Order: sequence, then structure tokens, then C-alpha cells
Amino acid sequence: EAGVAQSPRYKIIEKRQSVAFWCNPISGHATLYWYQQILGQGPKLLIQFQNNGVVDDSQLPKDRFSAERLKGVDSTLKIQPAKLEDSAVYLCASSPGRQTTDTQYFGPGTRLTVL
Amino acid sequence: AQSVTQLGSHVSVSEGALVLLRCNYSSSVPPYLFWYVQYPNQGLQLLLKYTSAATLVKGINGFEAEFKKSETSFHLTKPSAHMSDAAEYFCAVSGLTGGGNKLTFGTGTQLKVEL
Repeated sequence: EAGVAQSPRYKIIEKRQSVAFWCNPISGHATLYWYQQILGQGPKLLIQFQNNGVVDDSQLPKDRFSAERLKGVDSTLKIQPAKLEDSAVYLCASSPGRQTTDTQYFGPGTRLTVL
Repeated sequence: AQSVTQLGSHVSVSEGALVLLRCNYSSSVPPYLFWYVQYPNQGLQLLLKYTSAATLVKGINGFEAEFKKSETSFHLTKPSAHMSDAAEYFCAVSGLTGGGNKLTFGTGTQLKVEL
């Protein structure tokens, strides 16, 4: 079974530029998550989708971050404009559903460096 | 609110020695607890999870953890460390009322295994 795919793996941009990350979850997984992992910290949930609907985006900086999952499969996370403090690894994860016991499966992440 | 605290951001053990990584949680409701491992430049991989069944949970790669409600702890152990265990380990909690399966991670513990 294929795992969670993410691209690109690495991205370097200058501040005020825009950037987009792509995620393809495990086939059949209804729930998709985007996490931000700053160096030296644990991952922090940015947004959670159930199919193509948003379940939780309480920690998403909506003035600059946006995300969509139009057909309930792939998802895109965008940052516009980027700030220095956005430098982090952006992890995508998926799970079969939203049960508290459901395992979340993580992709390899996209490492973003903002100069 | 719920949170997890991982004591010790860096732990060093000799190959063959006992591994003990500490995790304490605070939650007003019975939590679900997870341990994830992250190898360099990779995503997070689930080691084991506690879902209110047996309090001693066995995971992959010889790791296990014991849920102790009286101590609000979920420490990760392995009897004999191997060089391949060197990685970063994250404890996480979910199941907060109204939070669904949202994972809240600790700050991580970097495990170093020495010859």
C-alpha cells in the first residue's frame, strides 16, 4: 500500500513570496491533516479535512495560509506572502476516519526555508 | 486543556542498554496516547498507541509503553538499545472533549545510541 505522498521535498523562497505544497493521502482515507513542525518543536496541527470539508482550522493563520481539498482526495497548502517565521517542515497526514483511536499516517514532509 | 510533557530533550544510551523516554500528560478526560518516531528527513511513524484496552502496550521494533493513570505517565521503554534506534521520539495525546482525534504533540526527545 502506498503511503502519504508530498511534494516538493524541499523549497527555498524569499520572504513575501508565495509557495504551495501538495499532498496525496493513502487511498481511501477520508481525513487529511496538515501540520507545521518548527525546528526543535513537535508538530502543530494547522488544518484538518474530513473528505472535502474543513473540520478544524483554528490554528491556521488565515491571513496568509490557505488550504483546499477540492475532490476529497489530494490537498494543497499555500502560503502567501511567506514570512521568515514560516520556515519549518510541513507534514501531511491521513487517517481512515476521525475516530480518536484512528492512526494518523504521515508523509515525508516538505522542508520550507524562507530567506 | 490537554498537553504532553516530554522530560529530557536529549537522551544518550549505550548500545544494549535500557531505553527510557518519559512522557507525562495532563487531561481532564481519559486520553488516548501515542508514541511516534521520526528518523532524519522522514515523516513520523507510529510506534504504539494506548486506546484504553491493556495498560501495557507493545509496539514495533521492540518498544513498549505502560499507561499509568495514577502518575499520568506513558513512558516508552526498550530493554536493549540498537544503533538503529537513534531518532527523535514524540509523545502525543488525543481524545479531548470536542477535540476529536486532533493530536497534540510533545516537544520531542532526541535519542542517541553510542557504541
